[in-house]
Amino acid sequence: GQSLEQPSEVTAVEGAIVQINCTYQTSGFYGLSWYQQHDGGAPTFLSYNALDGLEETGRFSSFLSRSDSYGYLLLQELQMKDSASYFCAVGQNFVFGPGTRLSVLP
Amino acid sequence: EPEVTQTPSHQVTQMGQEVILRCVPISNHLYFYWYRQILGQKVEFLVSFYNNEISEKSEIFDDQFSVERPDGSNFTLKIRSTKLEDSAMYFCASRYRVVEAFFGQGTRLTVV
Repeated sequence: GQSLEQPSEVTAVEGAIVQINCTYQTSGFYGLSWYQQHDGGAPTFLSYNALDGLEETGRFSSFLSRSDSYGYLLLQELQMKDSASYFCAVGQNFVFGPGTRLSVLP
Repeated sequence: EPEVTQTPSHQVTQMGQEVILRCVPISNHLYFYWYRQILGQKVEFLVSFYNNEISEKSEIFDDQFSVERPDGSNFTLKIRSTKLEDSAMYFCASRYRVVEAFFGQGTRLTVV
């Protein structure tokens, strides 16, 4: 089976940088994905790591260390619209972590 | 841009009734999923479907649940006898490559 851990909440101010960590346990690794979900909305894909290292997509970057079963999502130049829940997910069936609620303050 | 569509957006049903939630995945996608999300909680995997059969299901997906792809475009989730605890948002998703799953906007199921 799979299990994932994430911090439940993170708060930061506009313009700041925030890192959301994810540790996982899984049998059979198919990569670590990150999804964003605004209140009342659907999860939307942000980033994916199959190999160790950093993947950068605009203001968002994601890092993976397979030996540590650990990854993180890095959000730079935070904007108010980044306030949402962020989920890491593993496996071919995208088993989601518990989610981290990010609040961006003015 | 192609998208996954789900109907209805909101369904209210009485306990014990059967409900069918409908999804139209993106047309060239091969893998289909159902997830549920109880209000304020995480997104929970229910079932995956590939090549016209279930490829994996979670512990949540018991005998009360079934999925079908009745034609080339629709993908349905049936709950045979709804319980109060089935109240949740149900998301359908599809993917072509391993990297990214595309989610529909969800069906909010309320069991009264």
